[in-house]
Order: sequence, then C-alpha cells, then structure tokens
Amino acid sequence: EAEVAQSPRYKITEKSQAVAFWCDPISGHATLYWYRQILGQGPELLVQFQDESVVDDSQLPKDRFSAERLKGVDSTLKIQPAELGDSAMYLCASSLARAGAYNEQFFGPGTRLTVL
Amino acid sequence: GNSVTQMEGPVTLSEEAFLTINCTYTATGYPSLFWYVQYPGEGLQLLLKATKADDKGSNKGFEATYRKETTSFHLEKGSVQVSDSAVYFCALSRVTRGSYIPTFGRGTSLIVHP
Repeated sequence: EAEVAQSPRYKITEKSQAVAFWCDPISGHATLYWYRQILGQGPELLVQFQDESVVDDSQLPKDRFSAERLKGVDSTLKIQPAELGDSAMYLCASSLARAGAYNEQFFGPGTRLTVL
Repeated sequence: GNSVTQMEGPVTLSEEAFLTINCTYTATGYPSLFWYVQYPGEGLQLLLKATKADDKGSNKGFEATYRKETTSFHLEKGSVQVSDSAVYFCALSRVTRGSYIPTFGRGTSLIVHP
C-alpha cells in the first residue's frame, strides 16, 4: 500500500540552528501539505502546494520557514534559525486531486522536532 | 476566518456505550466537512466525510450528519469498542482561489475501557 514518507522521524536541535524535513508524497498525488501540530492541538496548515506551485502559505512564518517542491514531487521544509517555540510534530500529507476538486488527504508519520 | 470547535476531552466510556463527539464550525460559503482519526503511534487517517448540507458520512460504525442550520457535524457511534480509543479531529475544507484549504479542530481524545 502506497504511503507518504517523511524523514527524519525525530530531530533534536539547539536554538538558532537550521533544520530541514523531507517528505515524499504518494506517487501521482498533485497536492502536498505541510502542517505543524503542537502537542494537544490540531494540525495547523503551514503551506499547501499544487504540483510545484504554492497555493496557500498564509500561516507560514516566512522570516524563518521556507518550503519548496521544485519538481512537483517531493518537498523540503526548512527552519532557520530554529526557536524554542518551534518544538512540535511536523506532518506532511498528500492528495490526488488538483485544484477545484475534493481531496482526501493521506498523512505521513510526521517528524517530531525538539528545540533545546 | 474559518474555524472548527470540538468538545474537550478526554471522553471516557465503557465498551458498548454510545458515543457523541460534538463539532461545530464557522466558515464562509459551503465547506466540506471531515472526521479524521489518529490511533496511538500512527498518522491521521480519514474516517468519514460529507460534502453538502444534510449529507451523512459513515464508516466503521461511525456516523456524522452535515447540519448547515446548526453549523454542526457531530460524530456518533452506537457501541464503542476498546479499539476505538484514539484522538478524533473534526475538519473543514473551503475553496480559496480554486483550491480546497483545510482547517482542523484541536482534537478529542476517546478512551474506551473494557
């Protein structure tokens, strides 16, 4: 069964350092999402891609966060510099449908980030 | 803006009890509504959905009806099992610039005792 892959699964870093997360969506899925989930809360959408284009990044803290999906397949989310408040689970999800269609999201296992 | 409000957990039940988890939403237009479930140690997965008013989504014995008049999408199950213990997330998806943008609630933890 096809799955969304994420790496690393766990990351511990010190504040002011740079971190990067990788996501490989299910093959053929056009839409890719990055979420941040703080313990005890629901996922908060950071950025949504349609192929290689950003559809929504209104909640992405652009002074320190960046995301790219250069070839419209896998994606990287970067934080530089990391702050204590960035400690959270970072989730990636993908969906098959393109713009204007309903899309069921399939989630990866997430990357647990701890900033010391 | 758009938002989803869920009842606070944890919800603790005995096996075979009736379950209701309340969810209400605020959104412009006509969003699609979803329930996702996250079992311990696993990623989120779609449980059920409804895309228009009065639709009923159902899966694995769970049901939810899209009530536009009360802006609600409450999750119900007639007889819960220990294996239903998980965190349940209500979510909506609204169209912005031609694409569906999702918003999730905080999640409600369900604990079912034998």
